[in-house]
Amino acid sequence: AQKVTQAQTEISVVEKEDVTLDCVYETRDTTYYLFWYKQPPSGELVFLIRRNSFDEQNEISGRYSWNFQKSTSSFNFTITASQVVDSAVYFCALDQAGTALIFGKGTTLSVSS
Amino acid sequence: DVKVTQSSRYLVKRTGEKVFLECVQDMDHENMFWYRQDPGLGLRLIYFSYDVKMKEKGDIPEGYSVSREKKERFSLILESASTNQTSMYLCASTFGLNSYNEQFFGPGTRLTVL
Repeated sequence: AQKVTQAQTEISVVEKEDVTLDCVYETRDTTYYLFWYKQPPSGELVFLIRRNSFDEQNEISGRYSWNFQKSTSSFNFTITASQVVDSAVYFCALDQAGTALIFGKGTTLSVSS
Repeated sequence: DVKVTQSSRYLVKRTGEKVFLECVQDMDHENMFWYRQDPGLGLRLIYFSYDVKMKEKGDIPEGYSVSREKKERFSLILESASTNQTSMYLCASTFGLNSYNEQFFGPGTRLTVL
C-alpha cells in the first residue's frame, strides 16, 4: 500500500532558526513522484516542489532545500533561517500511480519573532 | 495568472439538506479533484475527474457524488448532509491526464453542518 508519513505534527521555532520537516513514504512502484505543498493561513495550498524517483539530487531554492533519499524512503524539507512568513502547514505527497496524490497529515510550522 | 475558484469560503447547512459545492478552473485542465481536510487527517481524496462526464472514486466517496458537465467546472454534491461532513473542502486541478503534474488548489470551502 502507498503511504506518506509526516511524524511531526507541530514544530515551533524562533526566527532565523533552521528547521527540517520530515517525510517518509511507502510505495511498491519503481516510478513515482513526490511533492511538497505549503498551506498558509489563507488556506490555499501552494506547490513547492516535485521530485521523480529517478532523480535523487538534492534541490535548493533560496532558503528552501530538499533531501531525497531512496535508501530510507525519505524526502525531507529544510528551511534555512526561518521567517515568520514561513508559518504554515506543510504537506508531503506521493503520486498514486498517476491518478491522484496521497497526502501526509501535514506538519504545522510556527515561526515566532 | 492561473485560477481555481470555489463558490463559497464559508457555508452553514442543516442536517439532511442537499449541498452543492462548486469549483471552476480557468486553465483548461483535464483533471479535477475534490479533497476534504480535517485536523490530524490531512487531505483525503473524495472524487476526481479526468474528463467531462468522467469520474472516479477516491478514498472516501461515501456520502458524496460529483458532476462534471463542462471541462472547467467540477461540482461536489452532498445528497443529505450530515454533521460528520463538517470539514474544509478543497478543489484542485491539473494539466494532462496524470496526477504527477502540479496541482493548483482553490481557497477551500469551510462547511459546517448543524
